Amino acid sequence: NAGVTQTPKFRVLKTGQSMTLLCAQDMNHEYMYWYRQDPGMGLRLIHYSVGEGTTAKGEVPDGYNVSRLKKQNFLLGLESAAPSQTSVYFCASSYSNTEAFFGQGTRLTVV
Amino acid sequence: KQEVTQIPAALSVPEGENLVLNCSFTDSAIYNLQWFRQDPGKGLTSLLLIQSSQREQTSGRLNASLDKSSGRSTLYIAASQPGDSATYLCAVRLYGQNFVFGPGTRLSVLP
Repeated sequence: NAGVTQTPKFRVLKTGQSMTLLCAQDMNHEYMYWYRQDPGMGLRLIHYSVGEGTTAKGEVPDGYNVSRLKKQNFLLGLESAAPSQTSVYFCASSYSNTEAFFGQGTRLTVV
Repeated sequence: KQEVTQIPAALSVPEGENLVLNCSFTDSAIYNLQWFRQDPGKGLTSLLLIQSSQREQTSGRLNASLDKSSGRSTLYIAASQPGDSATYLCAVRLYGQNFVFGPGTRLSVLP
């Protein structure tokens, strides 16, 4: 039972490069989330989705885009990476009123 | 805006002690509250989920309580062990289905 899987686990980008982080869940959850975790800032919501084909902005959405073309996948895109986007990114999923499950994280460094 | 705080920020105890971690939130209009554990460099592992209509939940040596009207939750860990050393995070789920996280309590249990 895979749960929530994030790809890749580590990545180093140069400023201005683009990349896509993939989150896949096999629990048929409606809700999916992308968070970033930074020292001293805690976990902050970037974007979230309440169902296939729908997305919404969270607390820190600037510089990121998302898509949810399939229920099981939630993609986070960085169009032009900046050093301020160096962080650990976590994906999570849940049903409407049940516990959330998190992936193992993607450690991104932008140089 | 919902704000979540956790006290203490860090805690160091000898093995075998019972301990209490505190979580406070400013807006009582929450859907549920979830406690997580995070080991260094790892993702978040769900420990307990308390629905807004519940007062407490138990799992093994862990007991979490919720007082929604006062905006407080506590996580009680009985007979602590070195393997309990980790950062403990609480998160409140809003009716918009987003989670707001506290900054965490870093626990060290000394052998």
